[in-house]
Amino acid sequence: GAGVSQSPSNKVTEKGKDVELRCDPISGHTALYWYRQSLGQGLEFLIYFQGNSAPDKSGLPSDRFSAERTGGSVSTLTIQRTQQEDSAVYLCASSPRRNTGELFFGEGSRLTVL
Amino acid sequence: AQTVTQSQPEMSVQEAETVTLSCTYDTSESDYYLFWYKQPPSRQMILVIRQEAYKQQNATENRFSVNFQKAAKSFSLKISDSQLGDAAMYFCAYRSLTQGGSEKLVFGKGTKLTVNP
Repeated sequence: GAGVSQSPSNKVTEKGKDVELRCDPISGHTALYWYRQSLGQGLEFLIYFQGNSAPDKSGLPSDRFSAERTGGSVSTLTIQRTQQEDSAVYLCASSPRRNTGELFFGEGSRLTVL
Repeated sequence: AQTVTQSQPEMSVQEAETVTLSCTYDTSESDYYLFWYKQPPSRQMILVIRQEAYKQQNATENRFSVNFQKAAKSFSLKISDSQLGDAAMYFCAYRSLTQGGSEKLVFGKGTKLTVNP
């Protein structure tokens, strides 16, 4: 597609369930980022991929959070045993190569944990 | 660690007027990028303008310009001739260019801009 695609757009789940959020970056973009945006807050960095490797996963808040990227393309962010504080918009972004600085964002996945 | 501070949670401007959004950052590095991103209600973040720290000349993009003061670690965004479509959250962001430095963008908490007709 022309832009970064994220699915689902909205997800409502019950506390304790696992969720998977998907990101399909712009074709050819080697870098992929996950950010979390809580209500009224800025963007909190979660993890960064260069190809299939994650040189920086320092922002993952707990071991309930994990992410992978396959084929240098699609990425999945998995949250296990969801908690109410996980409710947020999860934004994915991609970048064409290292050191360009500019990120191209998707529209995000809004997660609500009841 | 680098931090980015936006001291104005909300700002408003009359249509066709000029508004300036403030941003300061803290870093010990000399090579970096600074950005302003816009997030309309649709949630999709869009790059507004970028500044390379080694460039003394302030970046401009049509009605958008920055005032980059490296020594003061200040990076403000000026929007001229404000339009209703400029209403959005605006985020200031920092990215290290130091060898071995993190390639993530560090964002401020944002400024909500309202444009009044």
